[in-house]
Amino acid sequence: QVQLQESGPGLVRPSETLSLTCTVSGGSTSGYYWSWIRQPPGKGLEWTGYIYPSGSTNYNPSLKSRVTISMDTSKHQFSLHLSSVTSADTAVYYCARYNWNVGHFDIWGQGTMVTVSS
Amino acid sequence: DIQMTQSPSSLSASVGDRVTITCQASQDIGNFLNWYQQKLGKAPKLVIYDASTLETGVPSRFSGSGSGTDFTLTISGLQPEDFATYYCQHYDGYPITFGQGTRLEI
Repeated sequence: QVQLQESGPGLVRPSETLSLTCTVSGGSTSGYYWSWIRQPPGKGLEWTGYIYPSGSTNYNPSLKSRVTISMDTSKHQFSLHLSSVTSADTAVYYCARYNWNVGHFDIWGQGTMVTVSS
Repeated sequence: DIQMTQSPSSLSASVGDRVTITCQASQDIGNFLNWYQQKLGKAPKLVIYDASTLETGVPSRFSGSGSGTDFTLTISGLQPEDFATYYCQHYDGYPITFGQGTRLEI
């Protein structure tokens, strides 16, 4: 079965760029959208954006000027880059598979905590 | 953006109880509504999609209903493993947004 695993630094300095990678195992990346969702400590879920294997992307306007999602299909990986981070970007970051046909996130990674602090 | 408002924000119940969580959308979203369960320290898990369709493997004590702007998630006969936080999520356009969550406590 398909599994997702996030990786990346757990600590990022303010004003720098947060970069995370999600590795897809157990299945193909074809036919699905690949997404990042974050959750600040003790708070709710926020969709940041997604990418299709063709390279097509869609971002949350609240982050649009700072966020980039890219994909390397040969490595079965997709990545999140969030620039100019502040403490408000401290959160658990989840990668997830988005089934566009039915509009839901059906497979999630375990999540990785990223703290923005000097 | 479409705002999703859940109520209550927290709910205390006992094993065996029947509970209902509501989710209201700020505009008509048809049946483009999903429900997730999140246990402490874990990723969310899809429970209901398209407002009322049970995800494969989810117990039949979970049910969803509603359309337009008002939706409900009902759990009939609470089990100890059901105590978690539940989120609704719309997919009628972008950005995709979630409700603020309902914490179901013993």
